[in-house]
Amino acid sequence: GNSVTQMEGPVTLSEEAFLTINCTYTATGYPSLFWYVQYPGEGLQLLLKATKADDKGSNKGFEATYRKETTSFHLEKGSVQVSDSAVYFCALSTPWETSGSRLTFGEGTQLTVNP
Amino acid sequence: DTEVTQTPKHLVMGMTNKKSLKCEQHMGHRAMYWYKQKAKKPPELMFVYSYEKLSINESVPSRFSPECPNSSLLNLHLHALQPEDSALYLCASRGQGKGPQHFGDGTRLSIL
Repeated sequence: GNSVTQMEGPVTLSEEAFLTINCTYTATGYPSLFWYVQYPGEGLQLLLKATKADDKGSNKGFEATYRKETTSFHLEKGSVQVSDSAVYFCALSTPWETSGSRLTFGEGTQLTVNP
Repeated sequence: DTEVTQTPKHLVMGMTNKKSLKCEQHMGHRAMYWYKQKAKKPPELMFVYSYEKLSINESVPSRFSPECPNSSLLNLHLHALQPEDSALYLCASRGQGKGPQHFGDGTRLSIL
């Protein structure tokens, strides 16, 4: 079955530091990969996505590259801000014609950015 | 602003009450989902509707009853819930192909 292994948290950084959150996956077929962010008291927001190998997703200064050879989708940001404090979830899905269109999540990484 | 709207945002109910959670989307998505999320954990899939038909039920207790009256609406009917059912309930929708699921802001449910 599908699985996502995400870097354990919590992660605490100072403002303007470099961020990496590691994510590796196991999947049958050709999954799509996603990073979702959840701010306190809110639902999940799609941060970025990649649908095939070597695709790079980017949004709000965050980037992640779909690496099929290492089955990874690590999240990076060059300079974090206090407003980036949130929980980040790595996730994958397979096309909805198979496996009932499930979304498989990692355990989540709590990021706190201090001024 | 989220494109998936959930109501109410907060709900407090006793164990003998009956209530419903509502979810609405107007993106033309034909797959809709209910998730349960406990604090500091990823969402857990409960139900999936595909073209208004229930396609996945993750062995959810019968005190949770989903309903999809049309392609834009998804309900979750609640009856005789237990304190451990207190959680954030998230709705999501998805189009065909390799697109992402889009989540609502959730209903925070507390069972007294």
